Amino acid sequence: GENVEQHPSTLSVQEGDSAVIKCTYSDSASNYFPWYKQELGKRPQLIIDIRSNVGEKKDQRIAVTLNKTAKHFSLHITETQPEDSAVYFCAAPRAGYSTLTFGKGTMLLVSP
Amino acid sequence: EPEVTQTPSHQVTQMGQEVILRCVPISNHLYFYWYRQILGQKVEFLVSFYNNEISEKSEIFDDQFSVERPDGSNFTLKIRSTKLEDSAMYFCASMPYGTGYEQYFGPGTRLTVT
Repeated sequence: GENVEQHPSTLSVQEGDSAVIKCTYSDSASNYFPWYKQELGKRPQLIIDIRSNVGEKKDQRIAVTLNKTAKHFSLHITETQPEDSAVYFCAAPRAGYSTLTFGKGTMLLVSP
Repeated sequence: EPEVTQTPSHQVTQMGQEVILRCVPISNHLYFYWYRQILGQKVEFLVSFYNNEISEKSEIFDDQFSVERPDGSNFTLKIRSTKLEDSAMYFCASMPYGTGYEQYFGPGTRLTVT
């Protein structure tokens, strides 16, 4: 099955700084890579995703990059704000399946 | 915007009791999932359901677990004889099409087994 590793487990930044979270995956045939944000006690919510036919995708302050050769993808948040504080999960499906394997999560703390 | 809904929001049960967690997926979605999240840990896949049958299940989803879509709207997860280690947040999710699309998560049911 798919194995997803995520680093770091916690990340503390000052407001306005950038934050980068990295994930690696094991199944070279995986073709879809979502990132979810989970606030305390809430549901995971998709914030951005990327498919394997592109190397980068941006949505305002959030971007995701994908390196298929190295089997890793990263979440980049620029100009961080306190409301970005949450746990972020990367995920990947096993090739041919839709079910997601999640990373262990990164707790992002943005200090004002 | 349509959302996945789940009931109850919190369920407390005694060890050995049966529980049924209920979900109403988004109406035109075709794929349905149950995930669980033990407090402070990652989200773990339990089972996926498509075309009125289980399409995939994890090693967590043993004989104590079952899923049903009893009518055109509800999707249920039953745990026959709960154990202490079943205590977790259970999320239902649905997806409109096949692989490579967003899975929409429900708000979760917190199950506490005492």
